[in-house]
Amino acid sequence: DARVTQTPRHKVTEMGQEVTMRCQPILGHNTVFWYRQTMMQGLELLAYFRNRAPLDDSGMPKDRFSAEMPDATLATLKIQPSEPRDSAVYFCASGLVLSGGGPDTQYFGPGTRLTVL
Amino acid sequence: DAKTTQPNSMESNEEEPVHLPCNHSTISGTDYIHWYRQLPSQGPEYVIHGLTSNVNNRMASLAIAEDRKSSTLILHRATLRDAAVYYCILPAGRRALTFGSGTRLQVQP
Repeated sequence: DARVTQTPRHKVTEMGQEVTMRCQPILGHNTVFWYRQTMMQGLELLAYFRNRAPLDDSGMPKDRFSAEMPDATLATLKIQPSEPRDSAVYFCASGLVLSGGGPDTQYFGPGTRLTVL
Repeated sequence: DAKTTQPNSMESNEEEPVHLPCNHSTISGTDYIHWYRQLPSQGPEYVIHGLTSNVNNRMASLAIAEDRKSSTLILHRATLRDAAVYYCILPAGRRALTFGSGTRLQVQP
């Protein structure tokens, strides 16, 4: 049963520290998304990649957040320096975009719960 | 993404059918209707999607109005495990999903 995996599942850190979250998309999927969920804002898109190239990162605070895909099996989301307002659950999702268009189902990981003190 | 409107919450009894409505009056001709749900402490999961015709899968059915301005997700026999937030989404060409506040479904035993 193919699944998106995320590490770590939980992270507690202090303000100013660097945080790196990792995601392994489902093998064969060509699109990776990063979402963030908070009680106040709900689920919001941070960035997404297709074939490892960033297509949209308009949802990310550029000064402190960065997202990369070093290879097709790994996506990373880094926060440096972290702030208390970054406390949230961060979800990674992957999907397969077909060349003929149409909708692509997104498969979500279990999330990383980040707490910045 | 086209705007969707869903009730904030709904209640159901276990083993009874549940009809979750969604209004999307600004839907365009090429917009697919997606439903995802989020169980407590989990990531969202895909439920079903459709374009014009009603759709069935092992999880649910999707009934789409003839004018496509509304749709209904149907859980034929609700179980306690179906308690979740259900999101109706019409993703635009950007492919990413825009989540609204969804409908929180409570299932009573």
